[in-house]
Amino acid sequence: QVQLVQSGAEVKKPGASMKVSCKASGYTFTSYTLHWVRQAPGQRLEWMGWIIAGNGNTKYSQKFQGRVTLTRDTSANTAYMELSGLRSEDTAVYYCARDPSSSTWRVIDYWGQGTPVTVSS
Amino acid sequence: QSALTQPASVSGSPGQSITISCTGSSSDIGGYNYVSWYQQHPGKAPKLIIYDVSYRPSGVSIRFSASKSGNTASLTISGLQAEDEADYYCSSYTSTTTLVFGTGTKVNVL
Repeated sequence: QVQLVQSGAEVKKPGASMKVSCKASGYTFTSYTLHWVRQAPGQRLEWMGWIIAGNGNTKYSQKFQGRVTLTRDTSANTAYMELSGLRSEDTAVYYCARDPSSSTWRVIDYWGQGTPVTVSS
Repeated sequence: QSALTQPASVSGSPGQSITISCTGSSSDIGGYNYVSWYQQHPGKAPKLIIYDVSYRPSGVSIRFSASKSGNTASLTISGLQAEDEADYYCSSYTSTTTLVFGTGTKVNVL
């Protein structure tokens, strides 16, 4: 069965960087795109970007452009999301999520369990 | 890209039908038949319940149906049940090849 297993909770100080991993199993990793979505406490889902696992192409939300980097390691079936210049407003649960679409990345059929990140001095 | 607009909350009694709206623009909802809906229970990851405007994934109850008209998409839950109490989010593909989510709607079962 499809599984996306993310790394554990993190506590970071303002100005630091964080890197969340997302290990995929149960499907051909390079045949799908992965989205990263975050949700601040009590807030809505917020799309951050996608990465095509096959060729590494990425697209980022304008809001995070310059601060977020999505990468993947095809030998480990793992995707990564790195966010720099952390501030308190980045406190949220971060999700990786699989998209089965091709060329118009528009739907998420499987989600990771979420990685809580707290940014606090 | 601004969030799609949803009502903050919608309420209904068991057995009733409710409808949640999701309003965007011609650059997202109005431009493509690529609207999805997700259900999220507290503390859980979202679950896909509708994709490409009106298609239900395997295993999703037929009580969930959806449609689109112009820049507004709608999700209808028929025969409301206690287990339907959750947050619901719409999303759409956009003209800049990004994804945008709605503001979210809390469904209360009275």
